[in-house]
Amino acid sequence: DSGVTQTPKHLITATGQRVTLRCSPRSGDLSVYWYQQSLDQGLQFLIQYYNGEERAKGNILERFSAQQFPDLHSELNLSSLELGDSALYFCASSKGRLSSYEQYFGPGTRLTVT
Amino acid sequence: DQQVKQNSPSLSVQEGRISILNCDYTNSMFDYFLWYKKYPAEGPTFLISISSIKDKNEDGRFTVFLNKSAKHLSLHIVPSQPGDSAVYFCAASAGDTGNQFYFGTGTSLTVIP
Repeated sequence: DSGVTQTPKHLITATGQRVTLRCSPRSGDLSVYWYQQSLDQGLQFLIQYYNGEERAKGNILERFSAQQFPDLHSELNLSSLELGDSALYFCASSKGRLSSYEQYFGPGTRLTVT
Repeated sequence: DQQVKQNSPSLSVQEGRISILNCDYTNSMFDYFLWYKKYPAEGPTFLISISSIKDKNEDGRFTVFLNKSAKHLSLHIVPSQPGDSAVYFCAASAGDTGNQFYFGTGTSLTVIP
């Protein structure tokens, strides 16, 4: 158990809909990272927040947005969903804001768009 | 554009033998590299890392080698055990100049008892 929790574990929704994925980091970790893993793909970095502020942005679509709240949990919002958004979405947390800090991953949320 | 590549999607090794997993990268600015292990239905777990100031880092049965001139790193597992069967991802970042980790597509290792 990494100490990072993600809810829900599974989500099935239709195209055009909007969903919110939630992540609670390990106790004491200030950074939260979001990743997308599509079929046969590596983990694609989406976005990082550090202590409530956006720190780094990767290949995140404009239809996707995220935020980190004062209690340090984070939410990833996916809107106008398309079939290609079906993937595993992982959240990870780390102590610091730099990438040299080890990241601890949650179990992921499997999103299926039908 | 895949900046970190793992060209072998799968690898099978006999128990007790050495497993060698390979990873290539294209960005010469990368200065920090990690290996993660992932079991089905779980998130990746950190295995071992190496900074670009080193060419080798060892942790028990796991050793990572870095060849900066070839932009290549490898993970050696000796001896391999059935519990090592998992998907292994390598990842790279440019440290202080960027916070983004770039992951490879993974190599599925099967250790045969």
